Amino acid sequence: ETAVFQTPNYHVTQVGNEVSFNCKQTLGHDTMYWYKQDSKKLLKIMFSYNNKQLIVNETVPRRFSPQSSDKAHLNLRIKSVEPEDSAVYLCASSDRNQDTQYFGPGTRLLVL
Amino acid sequence: GDSVTQTEGLVTLTEGLPVMLNCTYQTIYSNPFLFWYVQHLNESPRLLLKSFTDNKRTEHQGFHATLHKSSSSFHLQKSSAQLSDSALYYCALMVYNQGKLIFGQGTKLSIKP
Repeated sequence: ETAVFQTPNYHVTQVGNEVSFNCKQTLGHDTMYWYKQDSKKLLKIMFSYNNKQLIVNETVPRRFSPQSSDKAHLNLRIKSVEPEDSAVYLCASSDRNQDTQYFGPGTRLLVL
Repeated sequence: GDSVTQTEGLVTLTEGLPVMLNCTYQTIYSNPFLFWYVQHLNESPRLLLKSFTDNKRTEHQGFHATLHKSSSSFHLQKSSAQLSDSALYYCALMVYNQGKLIFGQGTKLSIKP
């Protein structure tokens, strides 16, 4: 099956903890993205990588850091989470034309 | 900077009536690439339509949209709404050479029997 996979589906943690989310795509795409979808359903780009190289780094707090081991994997680490980090984090990928983006199922984070 | 505006947060329609969801954009780039993504409940967004050709209608799954550069618009339309069309619809603009999508606020479409 070719798609975008994310783990975990859901994560509950407390303020100040560190969390990591994983994303893997088996579509053979070159570019991967992290988006944040907040409680109001606003969808905003955070980062994008092309062949392991960071190409987009939006204005996000420094506690967020993406990590890419190869073009099929893009992880997201959040050091010292805060309540406003509660959201759904969506991973996506696209081919070299970078037009259609395919989204994973998302990781829902709840910070207590 | 680049931006996308969807003026309606919620559109409620009766099944069978026509659908029109508004989308306007701002960009300095002369060849914008516009998209409509649809997100059903408990699912992730998926592409519905895309276009970068001025004044050309693009269609998919009964929906259609036309990019009008003169008015910076890319409205989504359907002639007859179905219950299964109930979902969250996002209009998006691709930022040239970066591949990132700038999404509008989203419009929740609710179709009633």
